[in-house]
Amino acid sequence: DQQVKQNSPSLSVQEGRISILNCDYTNSMFDYFLWYKKYPAEGPTFLISISSIKDKNEDGRFTVFLNKSAKHLSLHIVPSQPGDSAVYFCAASGDDKIIFGKGTRLHILP
Amino acid sequence: GAGVSQTPSNKVTEKGKYVELRCDPISGHTALYWYRQSLGQGPEFLIYFQGTGAADDSGLPNDRFFAVRPEGSVSTLKIQRTERGDSAVYLCASSLNAGGPVEQYFGPGTRLTVT
Repeated sequence: DQQVKQNSPSLSVQEGRISILNCDYTNSMFDYFLWYKKYPAEGPTFLISISSIKDKNEDGRFTVFLNKSAKHLSLHIVPSQPGDSAVYFCAASGDDKIIFGKGTRLHILP
Repeated sequence: GAGVSQTPSNKVTEKGKYVELRCDPISGHTALYWYRQSLGQGPEFLIYFQGTGAADDSGLPNDRFFAVRPEGSVSTLKIQRTERGDSAVYLCASSLNAGGPVEQYFGPGTRLTVT
């Protein structure tokens, strides 16, 4: 049973536009949510996180929104750049473990 | 400073053989994690160490899998009697300590192929 779900396997966005990556979770006991970015042949790289007591966290071009009632979070990237093309993993933290979603492959189109 | 390193980067082995995968965490990081990533999936938790001890090994799929971290730094993931289903990328991550926002730093992974 997947506790962290990323229902879009891929997403294409024009350079300069906003990229929105979505994630749903089932376990209300998670205390942190994280986004990781992964390039081919590299390990995932931490991007941004949000505590379960917050509803928004912003870091430069990246903003994560958390809707606890809907058990939904999203990552906004604006403006999207070519270097943002990668696989993005949503993850949730609880009991010192991280549970990852399956990932969404983001393509930034020129 | 140096990041998390993993060796080998690729390992091809025959079904039934024994393999060892090594992880060198970032110096000073007390927590170390092993994950397995199969094709089209996200990383799946296997085991995590706080210092030398395995704090949680609930993700190990069966008793063919074992991991050690004898001196609280380098860790080795050991797989006995490998099966084709063990083929995956094995990722190691480390963090300063466990808990909190758990910002983990990942290595590049070892791609294991069992033929």
